Amino acid sequence: AIRMTQSPSSLSASTGDRVTITCRASQGISSYLAWYQQKPGKAPKLLIYAASTLQSGVPSRFSGSGSGTDFTLTISCLQSEDFATYYCQQYYSYPTFGQGTRLEIK
Amino acid sequence: QLQLQESGPGLVKPSETLSLTCTVSGGSISSSSYYWGWIRQPPGKGLEWIGSIYYSGSTYYNPSLKSRVTISVDTSKNQFSLKLSSVTAADTAVYYCARRTTVTTVFDYWGQGTLVTVSS
Repeated sequence: AIRMTQSPSSLSASTGDRVTITCRASQGISSYLAWYQQKPGKAPKLLIYAASTLQSGVPSRFSGSGSGTDFTLTISCLQSEDFATYYCQQYYSYPTFGQGTRLEIK
Repeated sequence: QLQLQESGPGLVKPSETLSLTCTVSGGSISSSSYYWGWIRQPPGKGLEWIGSIYYSGSTYYNPSLKSRVTISVDTSKNQFSLKLSSVTAADTAVYYCARRTTVTTVFDYWGQGTLVTVSS
């Protein structure tokens, strides 16, 4: 299985901040990477696929980059509704997810 | 608007078989553009893909669960189902059904999830 490792595991930030979450794959996955946002008690929501393509309806303050083994999710100007847990997922092989990054209000 | 809804028992005894159904509304499960899958999340933990099925019946399973998993589709009812045999407490989780596109192969629509607890 391709192992996905996210860092940090948790992050405190304030509204208006710019934050970056990193995801590293245990082997090269080209650009077969997606990012999801999950709020408590809710299903994950697709934000980005193909490493950098924004899903329809997702605000442009979200962006993704990377290829190969190293990827980042950036939120350019945090809004109150962005405080949630974020997961990366590779689909180069059968799907596997990172352990999640919890974004909390400072 | 596409909707997916999981249904099934919320409590299963150890060693028994967990059975869940996902009903798809607002779209056809027989579309050639999508796979239909199951993902689970133990309480307070991360996400694990269980498996996916195409409308034709072709299945794809997580190797770590393959020996215990069966996913089937009923196109006449616009439903697909999950069976997980020989469950233990480690199978306690929120189970989600989701749509996976054949083009991007990511999960773009999810059900709300259903908690299944394995306990005697």
